Amino acid sequence: QVQLQESGPGLVKPSQTLSLTCTVSGDSITRSHYYWTWIRQPPGKGLEWIGNINYSGTTHYNPSLKSRVTTSVDASKNQFSLKLSSVTAADTAVYYCARTTISFDYWGQGTLVAVSS
Amino acid sequence: DIQMTQSPVSLSASVGDRVTITCRASQSISSYLNWYQQKPGTAPKLLIYSTSNLQSGVPSRFSGSGSGTDFSLTISSLQPEDFATYHCQQSYSHPATFGGGTKVEIK
Repeated sequence: QVQLQESGPGLVKPSQTLSLTCTVSGDSITRSHYYWTWIRQPPGKGLEWIGNINYSGTTHYNPSLKSRVTTSVDASKNQFSLKLSSVTAADTAVYYCARTTISFDYWGQGTLVAVSS
Repeated sequence: DIQMTQSPVSLSASVGDRVTITCRASQSISSYLNWYQQKPGTAPKLLIYSTSNLQSGVPSRFSGSGSGTDFSLTISSLQPEDFATYHCQQSYSHPATFGGGTKVEIK
């Protein structure tokens, strides 16, 4: 059974960098036909696609966040990561990681990250 | 970016009702349309991919149809466990975009 689990700080100060890691089990992050995606959902609002990455390091980012987003893969740990710089209160959200083919077929449980001083 | 518009924003229905949710794309997305179910405090769950393909383990009362810009999700006979928020999502082009969601509530 494929499982994804997000981890990282639940509180980040304004202007700092949000860092999250997604650990994948039950599948290999090196499979060539998958992308690995980050999605967020502000409290009470809809879903926003942040970006994705594949094993070879090809990335796609949402233009609205592109200047602040970096993703990476650590195949040795079967993990991928997200960094979002210069955060503000508007970045407060539940952050999800997901496996991606033509759709997001497996999701992590999500982790709430609040931006506050 | 491709804008996805869902309607209605919310609906009230009874167990056993037939429910249809619609999703419209701002440009043609062929059949690259997926549907997700989300219950409070949990991650979205994939129901249907590529317009009409039922994800493994999803009950057959769920179905999807459409093409181009207009799509729909139908629940043939609403069950208690179906009360949730439903999201459509286009995978035609980056950035992937979602509809605003449709909340299905108990009448």
